[in-house]
Amino acid sequence: DAKTTQPNSMESNEEEPVHLPCNHSTISGTDYIHWYRQLPSQGPEYVIHGLTSNVNNRMASLAIAEDRKSSTLILHRATLRDAAVYYCILLMDSNYQLIWGAGTKLIIKP
Amino acid sequence: DGGITQSPKYLFRKEGQNVTLSCEQNLNHDAMYWYRQDPGQGLRLIYYSQIVNDFQKGDIAEGYSVSREKKESFPLTVTSAQKNPTAFYLCASSIRTGVDRKETQYFGPGTRLLVL
Repeated sequence: DAKTTQPNSMESNEEEPVHLPCNHSTISGTDYIHWYRQLPSQGPEYVIHGLTSNVNNRMASLAIAEDRKSSTLILHRATLRDAAVYYCILLMDSNYQLIWGAGTKLIIKP
Repeated sequence: DGGITQSPKYLFRKEGQNVTLSCEQNLNHDAMYWYRQDPGQGLRLIYYSQIVNDFQKGDIAEGYSVSREKKESFPLTVTSAQKNPTAFYLCASSIRTGVDRKETQYFGPGTRLLVL
């Protein structure tokens, strides 16, 4: 199965941009890249997803490399409420299942 | 409001006991999922169901059972065969478009299962 690789943790200062990287070197041509985040003791929530082009929504931006082997989630202005574990996940086209990695714990310093 | 509810929030199981975790959704979603999460780890898929009266095993189905008699409900039973059941259990659903494959999943608040 295709897998994703993320740093275990990252720190950022409040009100600064945050770039969360993800490697997915075995991605196939039709697998979607999804990002979710999880606050402590809560269920994950959807952040953003994309296939080939960069994507923007009210929560974040997703930059996808031209070869699709990596992507970056961008939080333009981090707040303390953005402190969470961020998961980069592939939606396998073959079986519509999400393959979850261990995620990146984002720490926001005031 | 539409959403997914899980109950109870905390559940205690004695050795050799079966326990059932509830998951209900009023989003009119076709697909439902059960995940297990251990401390500091990502989610692992236990079972999923794409339609009523049908479900498939995920990566770690041993020691668990499910049913899908109604579209809104997908209960998970943790049987005595599951030797290490202590974990955070998450239920999710998705609209299952099948066409654009967005497959965004919506999660419930989770049930924390502890073994006495």
